[in-house]
Amino acid sequence: AQSVAQPEDQVNVAEGNPLTVKCTYSVSGNPYLFWYVQYPNRGLQFLLKYITGDNLVKGSYGFEAEFNKSQTSFHLKKPSALVSDSALYFCAVRYTDKLIFGTGTRLQVFP
Amino acid sequence: DARVTQTPRDKVTEMGQEVTMRCQPILGHNTVFWYRQTMMQGLELLAYFRNRAPLDDSGMPKDRFSAEMPDATLATLKIQPSEPRDSAVYFCASGLAEGPNTGELFFGEGSRLTVL
Repeated sequence: AQSVAQPEDQVNVAEGNPLTVKCTYSVSGNPYLFWYVQYPNRGLQFLLKYITGDNLVKGSYGFEAEFNKSQTSFHLKKPSALVSDSALYFCAVRYTDKLIFGTGTRLQVFP
Repeated sequence: DARVTQTPRDKVTEMGQEVTMRCQPILGHNTVFWYRQTMMQGLELLAYFRNRAPLDDSGMPKDRFSAEMPDATLATLKIQPSEPRDSAVYFCASGLAEGPNTGELFFGEGSRLTVL
């Protein structure tokens, strides 16, 4: 079965420091991987995706993600965190038409 | 600015009552999804449609939940009768099944349901 795992419930980082939110995947075949962000009392918003090609994918708001096939990982990264990046982040894998989401990681960026 | 519209935003009801949530997907999108979000279970896929046809509703409790798309501009999720354990935020999302933007879902703001 296709699935993603987000091992950290929460990640804390100081503003200006780099951040990483981890995701590992388990899929059969080529993975289609996604990151979404959810701000309080809002729906999820698409950040970026990996379909094929370059292992480093760039997305919205300065975020990027690195696809690593040997480690079956798709970690979300940003070089310099902002307080406004504080939100809930979801990794997802596409299976047929469906997106299967991870459990989410709450990112807290402190001033 | 295209967006997915959900109504109601908030609903408080009593156990046993019927609840209907509505969703207007983005014009031109041919897939529509219903997700439920709770603290305990996270995001669960309840049902989805492609070109208005229901393709998978295995995530729904069949005895009380039903999902329909009477036309391309409206998707509904109905709970009858509602129970306290149905309390959650219900999200509708739409997207395209083909093309370079496949998998990029647009979510509505959600319907927060509280069943007393």
